[in-house]
Amino acid sequence: GQQLNQSPQSMFIQEGEDVSMNCTSSSIFNTWLWYKQDPGEGPVLLIALYKAGELTSNGRLTAQFGITRKDSFLNISASIPSDVGIYFCAGQGPSGNTPLVFGKGTRLSVIA
Amino acid sequence: NAGVTQTPKFQVLKTGQSMTLQCAQDMNHNSMYWYRQDPGMGLRLIYYSASEGTTDKGEVPNGYNVSRLNKREFSLRLESAAPSQTSVYFCASHPPPEQYFGPGTRLTVT
Repeated sequence: GQQLNQSPQSMFIQEGEDVSMNCTSSSIFNTWLWYKQDPGEGPVLLIALYKAGELTSNGRLTAQFGITRKDSFLNISASIPSDVGIYFCAGQGPSGNTPLVFGKGTRLSVIA
Repeated sequence: NAGVTQTPKFQVLKTGQSMTLQCAQDMNHNSMYWYRQDPGMGLRLIYYSASEGTTDKGEVPNGYNVSRLNKREFSLRLESAAPSQTSVYFCASHPPPEQYFGPGTRLTVT
């Protein structure tokens, strides 16, 4: 089946630094989604990408849908303590009505 | 508009006991999902329901059953709980392709 490789697995950064994480797939996706999970909560959708090459921002977050349709990245600029959490990528293949495939997550820690 | 709700929030079971996790959504979504989350494993799909009246197995269905009671509700049942089912369980619903998650049920099986 489809698999997503998400990296890095974890990051420790200083407050104010920029963060970058990415996901790569063994097959083509039509949609890429990025979620954030706060401790003790369910994942919350941050950004959705629907077209190859698309670059979308949500505040300090920017995500891109790779041209090959097999990768996506998420950048966070000027990190703050509330950015702490687990970030998941997810993709949906060309079949449309199939379940999302999730990466294993990037755990972000911000040191004040 | 509560989104996706799950009950209970916490549960402790003894090995062999049964229980049902409840999930409801008020967003009129057709598709609903059950995931389990374990440390380092990400979110693994247990079962899903693409529409009312249909259910399909996901990646890790063994030991679980589901019921799509109506468009709003999708329940997950453990008939005979095992320690390997200790996990956090999330329900989600979606208008494809985005998904919206509930707050989770933390289940411990001793």
